[in-house]
Amino acid sequence: NAGVTQTPKFQVLKTGQSMTLQCAQDMNHNSMYWYRQDPGMGLRLIYYSASEGTTDKGEVPNGYNVSRLNKREFSLRLESAAPSQTSVYFCASRRYGAEQFFGPGTRLTVL
Amino acid sequence: DAKTTQPTSMDCAEGRAANLPCNHSTISGNEYVYWYRQIHSQGPQYIIHGLKNNETNEMASLIITEDRKSSTLILPHATLRDTAVYYCIVRVDQAGTALIFGKGTTLSVSS
Repeated sequence: NAGVTQTPKFQVLKTGQSMTLQCAQDMNHNSMYWYRQDPGMGLRLIYYSASEGTTDKGEVPNGYNVSRLNKREFSLRLESAAPSQTSVYFCASRRYGAEQFFGPGTRLTVL
Repeated sequence: DAKTTQPTSMDCAEGRAANLPCNHSTISGNEYVYWYRQIHSQGPQYIIHGLKNNETNEMASLIITEDRKSSTLILPHATLRDTAVYYCIVRVDQAGTALIFGKGTTLSVSS
């Protein structure tokens, strides 16, 4: 039981490049989430998926797209990376009535 | 969502109880109090949550005042490994709802 896994762990991009952050959970959770955390700040919600087939915007969705590929996987895509998207990205999942489990994070630097 | 107020930082001696306060004076009747912590840029870790009654698990105790306008997280015997940022979050427990993180309290445990 691996919990929530994220790939890659680290990534450096140039401005304008695109990439997809992958997240998978093996706990059969319905809901999945993407957060970003900037230095000295709390986590901010980018997008979430309440259940397979649905996605909704969070607090800071601009510049991002998401795909709930199936119940296990929820990916986050940056179409044209900008330096302001330099951050640590956390994926999380939960089932109704229970706590959220977080992945280890992806550290992204955009030059 | 109700807003929470936490002290920016607290210190605690190893082996002593750490009492972390949280004010949530605008909490609604159906909102739960959740506590998470984040150790050195790892993914946040669930600690405990409650609605009205005090709660205890293997990690901590949660004391909620009778009017529910404030709560205290208690780590009964703090260790150096408890040094982390602690987040108090108030949220309804609905399918798909996300956690809104503030800046939390940085707890420093020293020997």
